[in-house]
Amino acid sequence: GQNIDQPTEMTATEGAIVQINCTYQTSGFNGLFWYQQHAGEAPTFLSYNVLDGLEEKGRFSSFLSRSKGYSYLLLKELQMKDSASYLCAVRDSNSGYALNFGKGTSLLVTP
Amino acid sequence: DTGVSQDPRHKITKRGQNVTFRCDPISEHNRLYWYRQTLGQGPEFLTYFQNEAQLEKSRLLSNRFSAERPKGSFSTLEIQRTEQGDSAMYLCASSPPQGKNYEQYFGPGTRLTVT
Repeated sequence: GQNIDQPTEMTATEGAIVQINCTYQTSGFNGLFWYQQHAGEAPTFLSYNVLDGLEEKGRFSSFLSRSKGYSYLLLKELQMKDSASYLCAVRDSNSGYALNFGKGTSLLVTP
Repeated sequence: DTGVSQDPRHKITKRGQNVTFRCDPISEHNRLYWYRQTLGQGPEFLTYFQNEAQLEKSRLLSNRFSAERPKGSFSTLEIQRTEQGDSAMYLCASSPPQGKNYEQYFGPGTRLTVT
């Protein structure tokens, strides 16, 4: 199986930049995903990385280093509505298409 | 609305009862997944269908759990003889056959409370 670690909680100020880190261990890496989940709602897809490097999508960017088993999600120009849980998930080629999620990082954006 | 739908949204049941949940994936999505999520945790994979075939089951899926997708469209998840530890949010997700098949679209979930 995988061991996926991410910080439990983070706090940042509106308008600032925040970086949420994720480390993982897997035997057959086949993609890393970031999802956003507001309380009581379903996770929504943010980004996908399968090759090393940075993927940018608007205010959100995601980075992957496969050799280090490391990813981060970068959120710029934080808004109050960005307060949510951010889930890092890894797909393993040995497990078909199932996603293995970390416990999530609860981000609080303050005024 | 063309997203993933789940029914019911909430279910309260007494220990020992059987419950069944339904998931309707996005039209033409041939891949369907069930996950379970408890408070403060990320979703945990339960099972995966490609069309009507159940291709993968997690060891979390005890023999009290069964899932079906009889015609390759909607799916049901049944829990027999529910236990308090089954209380959780049950999430369904679907993804298309090819192309952007990496993205899983989640439904709103069914929150189960076993008393």
